[in-house]
Amino acid sequence: DAKTTQPNSMESNEEEPVHLPCNHSTISGTDYIHWYRQLPSQGPEYVIHGLTSNVNNRMASLAIAEDRKSSTLILHRATLRDAAVYYCILKGGAGGTSYGKLTFGQGTILTVHP
Amino acid sequence: GAGVSQSPRYKVAKRGQDVALRCDPISGHVSLFWYQQALGQGPEFLTYFQNEAQLDKSGLPSDRFFAERPEGSVSTLKIQRTQQEDSAVYLCASSLVPRDPLYEQYFGPGTRLTVT
Repeated sequence: DAKTTQPNSMESNEEEPVHLPCNHSTISGTDYIHWYRQLPSQGPEYVIHGLTSNVNNRMASLAIAEDRKSSTLILHRATLRDAAVYYCILKGGAGGTSYGKLTFGQGTILTVHP
Repeated sequence: GAGVSQSPRYKVAKRGQDVALRCDPISGHVSLFWYQQALGQGPEFLTYFQNEAQLDKSGLPSDRFFAERPEGSVSTLKIQRTQQEDSAVYLCASSLVPRDPLYEQYFGPGTRLTVT
């Protein structure tokens, strides 16, 4: 699986935007970029995914570089509830043999200050 | 609606005991995954089921680990002769469609296993 690199930790203040970066320089043409987050004492939860174009949903936005070698998860207004570990994961296309398993890295620990 | 549930939430076992961890996936989900998460680390893949078929068990750390999903719904992860290094959170996840990169995985809350 292609590898992703994220900062170990980031901090933000409540109600400010947060930009969480992810590098994936070895991404293949069929890899989707997925983001999951894990709140304390919970299982990971899906946040957003994209292939080439920027994506928005109710939780966040995903900005993907034109060369697809990096992406940024954007939380428009951080709340205390957004404090979590954020994982950037590459997920292969349907023709692969990985059956869709997720390969997690260390992730970014996001701290939100009131 | 009901999400993925796991039981027990916490399990303390003495070294050498056998344990069984249960996962109830979302009804109708074809794919089921087990992951192991050591303290301070990201989850690591253990095994994958598509309905009742175990198609990938490449992540199981030893032959002491065994998983089953006999009727294609509930799954059980069994660890025989537990060792201290087995202490971790065991996460179960399910997904509607197998092998499709667009479909998200839904995770349970995990079972925290402590081996003393």
